[in-house]
Amino acid sequence: GIQVEQSPPDLILQEGANSTLRCNFSDSVNNLQWFHQNPWGQLINLFYIPSGTKQNGRLSATTVATERYSLLYISSSQTTDSGVYFCAADNYGQNFVFGPGTRLSVLP
Amino acid sequence: GAVVSQHPSRVICKSGTSVKIECRSLDFQATTMFWYRQFPKQSLMLMATSNEGSKATYEQGVEKDKFLINHASLTLSTLTVTSAHPEDSSFYICSAMRWGNEQYFGPGTRLTVT
Repeated sequence: GIQVEQSPPDLILQEGANSTLRCNFSDSVNNLQWFHQNPWGQLINLFYIPSGTKQNGRLSATTVATERYSLLYISSSQTTDSGVYFCAADNYGQNFVFGPGTRLSVLP
Repeated sequence: GAVVSQHPSRVICKSGTSVKIECRSLDFQATTMFWYRQFPKQSLMLMATSNEGSKATYEQGVEKDKFLINHASLTLSTLTVTSAHPEDSSFYICSAMRWGNEQYFGPGTRLTVT
């Protein structure tokens, strides 16, 4: 099945800084999503983005399907952005596979 | 829209007992729901795919007799952990697929088996 990698595994930022999180996947994708898992465990949908670019406030994401990667941009980070960011993908008819996550800490 | 609930949010049970976890899609119908397990500081691992009106499909290594899944309606799937043991303690999360392929996740259930 598809394999999903994420980098960096851990990231510490000062409030107000910008960051880029990367997701690499091993095969063509039918679905790719970015999630934020808050400290209580809730997964919050950020983007459904199997291809192209989307923006939502301070967050944006770009997936280059032909090169098998996706990027999540966080601008002007806030302490509430802290948590774990996951990307997950599936390859037509196969299971939805989660990457290992990027643990983000935003310091005040 | 696209809200998924889970109940209970936390449960503590004794070894050998069974626990049922409910997953509901509140504002949409979901023919397919998924059950995941997450151990501390790890990623989510798919346990099974639940389709309304048919038997669940389990991932390799997941015991179907231990983790009973019932998808009785288009808005409800249940996971029953039978004869629970301490190693079953984990965070269980369900998701529901709305139109297309996008999955929406419930808030999770933290199971502790003593």
